[in-house]
Amino acid sequence: QSVLTQPPSASGTPGQRVIISCSGDSSNIGSKAVNWYQQLPGTAPKLLIYRNNQRPSGVPDRFSASKSGTSASLAISGLQSEDEADYFCAVWDDSLNGWVFGGGTKLTVL
Amino acid sequence: EVQLVESGGGLVQPGGSLRLSCAASGFTFSTFEMNWVRQAPGKGLEWLSYISSTATTIYYADSVKGRFTISRDNAKNSLYLQMNSLRVEDTAVYYCARGLGNDYDSWGQGTLVTVSS
Repeated sequence: QSVLTQPPSASGTPGQRVIISCSGDSSNIGSKAVNWYQQLPGTAPKLLIYRNNQRPSGVPDRFSASKSGTSASLAISGLQSEDEADYFCAVWDDSLNGWVFGGGTKLTVL
Repeated sequence: EVQLVESGGGLVQPGGSLRLSCAASGFTFSTFEMNWVRQAPGKGLEWLSYISSTATTIYYADSVKGRFTISRDNAKNSLYLQMNSLRVEDTAVYYCARGLGNDYDSWGQGTLVTVSS
């Protein structure tokens, strides 16, 4: 059971906009910056969004994120087949003194 | 180019020990905090341990506290994870990661640890 709650799956057709949610509590999302990772099949996770809504260089602006209270969301617009991957939210948890990850959302592009 | 290369994984019996290494290159290793994260087969990511740049601050997940020890050798640009009293549920791909949640966040390709009799 992950500290952060994500839907196990999401799907969309090419060109659509998909939103993935991540729910936590006051000791993590409620007080710390949220990060999002993309993990393509058979590869290591890659940072997609840091500090709630910042994109590292090289990440397309089709990827955006936001945070409100103890929840966060990742939005992918103009869905492409190469976006098919697992997506994880991550945040530092003050009560655990460690990083916590969401269980991951498997995105399928139909 | 930033490179993190894990090694030391393999097959070990329950109760056994293993030491993982992470060789860093392409950046000034001694100035960055590091982490170990693992992923069991078909499962999500689990953070294991954090070590500050000078090793003065160390944190562990409850699941490995007392069994695993993180360390670093800045002179050798290397990060380590000593794993003792291994259990079947420790079977996973182990990643070293630089600076989680920062724009310099970077991960290695991982090393597989299999705990089985």
